[in-house]
Amino acid sequence: QAVVTQEPSLTVSPGGTVTLTCGSSTGAVTSGHYPYWLQQKPGQAPRTLIYDTSNKYSWTPARFSGSLLGGKAALTLSGAQPEDEAEYYCLLTYSGVGEVFGTGTKVTVL
Amino acid sequence: EVQLVESGGGLVQPGGSLRLSCAASGFTFSNHLMHWVRQAPGKGLEWVGNIGEDGSAKNYVDSVKGRFTISRDNSKNSLFLHMNSLRAEDSAVYYCSRKDVWGQGTTVTVSS
Repeated sequence: QAVVTQEPSLTVSPGGTVTLTCGSSTGAVTSGHYPYWLQQKPGQAPRTLIYDTSNKYSWTPARFSGSLLGGKAALTLSGAQPEDEAEYYCLLTYSGVGEVFGTGTKVTVL
Repeated sequence: EVQLVESGGGLVQPGGSLRLSCAASGFTFSNHLMHWVRQAPGKGLEWVGNIGEDGSAKNYVDSVKGRFTISRDNSKNSLFLHMNSLRAEDSAVYYCSRKDVWGQGTTVTVSS
């Protein structure tokens, strides 16, 4: 099965902007992979922030946005807050095969 | 309120079996593809498998194929994960998910 790769860790200043990416071992990530982005804080269940590349839920803070960037899925956090410090995972769908989570990115707001 | 509540986790010996359950409420369960996801201690999320709305279509991660089976009972708004031939590496928190909604997880520990 495919391997989905993310940056292991990123640091952002409070109020700053950071972009996380999600790449696939099978080639470019497209909208056909229906990228999801999830946030997980220690000891908590995941919380889904973005679906189908760039769509937000009612609970998704406006400072989070999703896109495709250079053959990868991307999650941009603009105006980082201390409460955004967490592990972030992407999730890609491989048609007829199943789904694969990314390796995860630990975001530190410092 | 949309809610998923897992149960059935516990301590099991290597080679043993366990059945996890997930009770869904607050939405039309039969309209949704459902997933099981697990997370080993200190590790990332791993997609385990999913089941289609009517239970006919199922997909699994390679590491559990032939050992785990996902089923559902739409009349009882319930999702199940039947786990056989359990290994130490199956130890994890198991989450039931609709991908936008997540349960709180149930812990499976495989150890002698």
